[in-house]
Amino acid sequence: KQEVTQIPAALSVPEGENLVLNCSFTDSAIYNLQWFRQDPGKGLTSLLLIQSSQREQTSGRLNASLDKSSGRSTLYIAASQPGDSATYLCAVRDDYKLSFGAGTTVTVRA
Amino acid sequence: DAGVIQSPRHEVTEMGQEVTLRCKPISGHNSLFWYRQTMMRGLELLIYFNNNVPIDDSGMPEDRFSAKMPNASFSTLKIQPSEPRDSAVYFCASSTDSPNYGYTFGSGTRLTVV
Repeated sequence: KQEVTQIPAALSVPEGENLVLNCSFTDSAIYNLQWFRQDPGKGLTSLLLIQSSQREQTSGRLNASLDKSSGRSTLYIAASQPGDSATYLCAVRDDYKLSFGAGTTVTVRA
Repeated sequence: DAGVIQSPRHEVTEMGQEVTLRCKPISGHNSLFWYRQTMMRGLELLIYFNNNVPIDDSGMPEDRFSAKMPNASFSTLKIQPSEPRDSAVYFCASSTDSPNYGYTFGSGTRLTVV
């Protein structure tokens, strides 16, 4: 069974600092990995999708890396802003199943 | 594209009542998933449909839960009778068979059983 772990569980940084969120998974036979953002009381918004053959994916201030062999992914958010405050979820897809980590709750202080 | 559409957004019901949650997947997506999110257990897969057929319902908690997908554009998740421990946010998501595709989630239904 795929196990997904996200560290840290919570993170508080001053505005402008770079954010580094970590995700690890136990079974490297994945199709892809997705990073989601969830605001309080809201749904899941997809941020980045990395295919198993890719090493990284970028969108604006967001960059996600994938090391499938070691079962790790990292989400980098450059120059954080208060609007980046949310919970970030990592999810890995193997076959049809999407397995989620518990998330990292980020607070960016103005 | 309007995305995955779920209704209602919020549902408050009394214990013992029947609850029906609805989902319209993205047109062209042939895979549909129901997830439940709680503080204690995070996001859990309840059931997976492919081409309108239930493929994996191993996550359905018990017989009180049932799900149907009568056509490619509509699915329901029913709880009968509902219990307070069913209170959670229920998400519907859709995707395709292609391993290159990610999942798209709906906005969720927040269910409160009192």
